[in-house]
Amino acid sequence: EAQVTQNPRYLITVTGKKLTVTCSQNMNHEYMSWYRQDPGLGLRQIYYSMNVEVTDKGDVPEGYKVSRKEKRNFPLILESPSPNQTSLYFCASSPGQGLPGSGNTIYFGEGSWLTVV
Amino acid sequence: KNQVEQSPQSLIILEGKNCTLQCNYTVSPFSNLRWYKQDTGRGPVSLTIMTFSENTKSNGRYTATLDADTKQSSLHITASQLSDSASYICVVSEKTGANNLFFGTGTRLTVIP
Repeated sequence: EAQVTQNPRYLITVTGKKLTVTCSQNMNHEYMSWYRQDPGLGLRQIYYSMNVEVTDKGDVPEGYKVSRKEKRNFPLILESPSPNQTSLYFCASSPGQGLPGSGNTIYFGEGSWLTVV
Repeated sequence: KNQVEQSPQSLIILEGKNCTLQCNYTVSPFSNLRWYKQDTGRGPVSLTIMTFSENTKSNGRYTATLDADTKQSSLHITASQLSDSASYICVVSEKTGANNLFFGTGTRLTVIP
C-alpha cells in the first residue's frame, strides 16, 4: 500500500531536548516536504526536498533541520525544541520531479502531534 | 500577495443534505487547484485536482468547480453522510517557482444525524 509513514505520532518533550520525527515513503517519490498545522492557520511549509541531498527552506524553517540522505526518508530534526514548536506536523511526498505546480498528487502522512513543555 | 481564502469557516448540516464550500484565491500565475479532505487529527487526503482548463471535476459525491477568470472554486457535496464530517482544504499552486503552494485555512464541516 502506498503510504507516507511518520513516527512518532504523539510526543511530549521538554524544552531543549533534541528530537527527530521520522518520515518514510514507499512510492519512490523525489519530492518530500514537512508542514506544520496550527489552529486557525493553514498548513505552513517548514522544509522541502526536490531529491536526495537537495533540501530547501519553506516558509517557517527557523528552529528546524532536515536531511535527505536516501530517497525514501526525510527526517525533521528539532535541535532545541521550544514551546512555540508545539504543533501538528505533516510529512508529504509527491511523484516525478514533484513540483506541486505540475499537478501531481501530494500524499500526506498521518501527522505527528508534538507538545513541548 | 498570494492568498487563498475559504468560506464559511465552519458549517453544520443535516445528514442527506447538500452543501457547497467556497474558495477564493489571488494566486497568480495560476497552475492548479486542489481540494483536500482532512479528518480530525489525520493527514489531508486528495479529493480533486483541477488545472486552468478544467471547470468541473467529480469524485463520487464531491464535485469541484473552478472559474479561473474570477479566481473562485467551490466544492459541492451531495447527499451528505456522517463520514463527510471533516475539514476541507483548498490548495492553489503557483505556476512559476519550484515549490509554491498556498493553503487555505479550511472549512470545518459537521454532518449531524
